[in-house]
Amino acid sequence: SQTIHQWPATLVQPVGSPLSLECTVEGTSNPNLYWYRQAAGRGLQLLFYSVGIGQISSEVPQNLSASRPQDRQFILSSKKLLLSDSGFYLCAWIPDPQYTEAFFGQGTRLTVV
Amino acid sequence: AQTVTQSQPEMSVQEAETVTLSCTYDTSESDYYLFWYKQPPSRQMILVIRQEAYKQQNATENRFSVNFQKAAKSFSLKISDSQLGDAAMYFCAYRSRGGSEKLVFGKGTKLTVNP
Repeated sequence: SQTIHQWPATLVQPVGSPLSLECTVEGTSNPNLYWYRQAAGRGLQLLFYSVGIGQISSEVPQNLSASRPQDRQFILSSKKLLLSDSGFYLCAWIPDPQYTEAFFGQGTRLTVV
Repeated sequence: AQTVTQSQPEMSVQEAETVTLSCTYDTSESDYYLFWYKQPPSRQMILVIRQEAYKQQNATENRFSVNFQKAAKSFSLKISDSQLGDAAMYFCAYRSRGGSEKLVFGKGTKLTVNP
């Protein structure tokens, strides 16, 4: 079966600390992977997306970065968190070309204090 | 760059009535997909309906239907016989096909259903 795992569900981090959010998928090869951020009551802002290992497209220049070390693993990172990095982070994937829509993880609520 | 605009931050409808949510998009591509997603308070993203740009026929899924106007770059969602469970944030989304594979969303419309 095809599933997506995103963790942790909730995270509270101090300003200036590093960040690592992980998203892994199962059940297919070479999926499209996406990271979004959603501020409170706002829309989904596309941060990064990847169509293959080592292929990362960045949409928003900021202190976040993404990596895809394995085919089914997508990691969102920061070396030093800012207060403005607080929000709800969603990972999404499109399993293979026969799918038109994306499927989403459960999300991570990040609070930077 | 592809952009999606939802001009209605909030909408409300009476239970059993019909409501239409608006969405426009900007693209220079000819082949793409459009979607409406629902996000209830649980924040889980749920696909409501999809439309392939090369198909002229408007998509329908039970009480949900779209009005796809490709030339006008408009993609509205109509919810008929609204139910209390329809209350949620609704996002319009655009996916490039065969190109960048970018998937972008609008800012959302918060739908309230009044009993």
